[in-house]
Amino acid sequence: AQKITQTQPGMFVQEKEAVTLDCTYDTSDQSYGLFWYKQPSSGEMIFLIYQGSYDEQNATEGRYSLNFQKARKSANLVISASQLGDSAMYFCAMRAPNQAGTALIFGKGTTLSVSS
Amino acid sequence: ETGVTQTPRHLVMGMTNKKSLKCEQHLGHNAMYWYKQSAKKPLELMFVYSLEERVENNSVPSRFSPECPNSSHLFLHLHTLQPEDSALYLCASSHLGGVGETQYFGPGTRLLVL
Repeated sequence: AQKITQTQPGMFVQEKEAVTLDCTYDTSDQSYGLFWYKQPSSGEMIFLIYQGSYDEQNATEGRYSLNFQKARKSANLVISASQLGDSAMYFCAMRAPNQAGTALIFGKGTTLSVSS
Repeated sequence: ETGVTQTPRHLVMGMTNKKSLKCEQHLGHNAMYWYKQSAKKPLELMFVYSLEERVENNSVPSRFSPECPNSSHLFLHLHTLQPEDSALYLCASSHLGGVGETQYFGPGTRLLVL
């Protein structure tokens, strides 16, 4: 069965520092997609970045990059130059083709707190 | 992404009430989803509609009843709920397209059942 594991309940970082949020996944599929979402206290889930299992390059979107290590089944999110507005919950999610419908499986999330 | 709207944003209801949650997407997507987010739990998929047909119902109690009248609108009808149904209900939409298909979420409805 597919599974996403986020082992860090909370992370603390100072403004302008980089931070890595961990995500490991488990799937027997060769083709799958990995996603990161941000959820501020307002509740909305905001899509950040996507990595496909066959993508050779690590995905990047502005200050977000995904450190994809396929053999280790990890897809860590790196946020460079943290800002106060980055304080939120962060969720790692996966889709594999044999899942019913097109649903995502989410991890439990990591709370990131950025201080000045 | 502000293409998915949900109303109401907050709802308080008694266990005998009937209410409906509404979701609307303005992104031209052809799949819509309801998720439940309880405290300290991962998001739980409730229902999936693909091309306006329900393709998944994750053992959700019958007191939750979804409706998808067209590809832009999704409803969740609620009746005789229990206090443990208090949660954040998130709607999402996507354009069908394999493993890389991205879901975009609405702001959610915070439901409190008394």
